[in-house]
Amino acid sequence: AQSVAQPEDQVNVAEGNPLTVKCTYSVSGNPYLFWYVQYPNRGLQFLLKYITGDNLVKGSYGFEAEFNKSQTSFHLKKPSALVSDSALYFCAVRPTGFQKLVFGTGTRLLVSP
Amino acid sequence: NAGVTQTPKFRILKIGQSMTLQCTQDMNHNYMYWYRQDPGMGLKLIYYSVGAGITDKGEVPNGYNVSRSTTEDFPLRLELAAPSQTSVYFCASNEGKGGVLAKNIQYFGAGTRLSVL
Repeated sequence: AQSVAQPEDQVNVAEGNPLTVKCTYSVSGNPYLFWYVQYPNRGLQFLLKYITGDNLVKGSYGFEAEFNKSQTSFHLKKPSALVSDSALYFCAVRPTGFQKLVFGTGTRLLVSP
Repeated sequence: NAGVTQTPKFRILKIGQSMTLQCTQDMNHNYMYWYRQDPGMGLKLIYYSVGAGITDKGEVPNGYNVSRSTTEDFPLRLELAAPSQTSVYFCASNEGKGGVLAKNIQYFGAGTRLSVL
């Protein structure tokens, strides 16, 4: 069965510092991996995806994520956090051949001024 | 540029009442989805559809029904509301194409916050 784990319920970081939000996955075959962000009272918004190719993927708002096949991880990173990055972040996996996403439980990012 | 539109935004139901959550998309997407979001649980797939006239169950379909008579619309029906259905419901769509040119991105509506009391 496919699954996604986000081990941290919340990540706290000071503005200007680098941030990492962790994600590991379990899926058979080659996965499609995604990060989505949810701001308060809003739907999820696509941030970035890994399908194939370069393991470092760049996305919206200066975010990037690194695909690590041996560690089955897809951690979200940003070199310098902004207060406006504070939101709920979801990692998701789409098994090859399927059009359904399996989501992690979400990590709340809190960036303090 | 509406994208995915959900109505209503908020609703309070009494136990045993029924209601339909509306979802429409204007992107001509083949695939549509209904999720529920509960605190600390992420998103769980209720039902999905790969095209007009075709629907299938997700992880948590019990207590819900769907239909897909057109490409644009994918309503979710609650027949006998229960407190366990208190949640935030999200509709999403995806172009549903395969191959290297596919965007593989789901677009979400703003959600319907439902309370069953």
